[in-house]
Amino acid sequence: DAGVTQSPTHLIKTRGQHVTLRCSPISGHKSVSWYQQVLGQGPQFIFQYYEKEERGRGNFPDRFSARQFPNYSSELNVNALLLGDSALYLCASSLGLVRDSPLHFGNGTRLTVT
Amino acid sequence: EDKVVQSPLSLVVHEGDTVTLNCSYEVTNFRSLLWYKQEKKAPTFLFMLTSSGIEKKSGRLSSILDKKELFSILNITATQTGDSAVYLCAVDRIKAAGNKLTFGGGTRVLVKP
Repeated sequence: DAGVTQSPTHLIKTRGQHVTLRCSPISGHKSVSWYQQVLGQGPQFIFQYYEKEERGRGNFPDRFSARQFPNYSSELNVNALLLGDSALYLCASSLGLVRDSPLHFGNGTRLTVT
Repeated sequence: EDKVVQSPLSLVVHEGDTVTLNCSYEVTNFRSLLWYKQEKKAPTFLFMLTSSGIEKKSGRLSSILDKKELFSILNITATQTGDSAVYLCAVDRIKAAGNKLTFGGGTRVLVKP
């Protein structure tokens, strides 16, 4: 079975640009969550989408947005990139809420902002 | 504000040693504590703990939760070089926004041959 897949694997952008990251969940999983992991730190929650609706948002500015498509894949968009946005962006899928099933993470997209 | 603190930050052991990793937490409306192993990129799920005092085991790994003292430990016995990784602890809250897990900073384990 394919796990959570993310694309691209690496990305280099310039300050002020925007970026779109993509995620395909495990087949049958309807929930997708996005996390940001800065080097040397644990992941930080950005968004969760379940059944195409936003179910949770972390403490991130409005420059960050996301959506989920009818096939449950998801996109994370970041506008007006800052140097501090450089990080590993992890997508995780689950059947539903964590209490029902744990999160399964993809390999992430490494974003470098110069 | 929710807080998850892991210790030690890092450690180096030799193959065959036993490792004990600590995770303490301060969260309101605690539901569960999860352990993940992160080797290069994707954190992989190890354990979910919801009840105090019940040890969960998977091969050489085991974990236990103390909800009174607000901590969990992860033990790895007879360590192998393949156990080298960052081990992440995370907590889930009742009524948390979506699938919001609050992670600790991780413990980096290096197992030398």
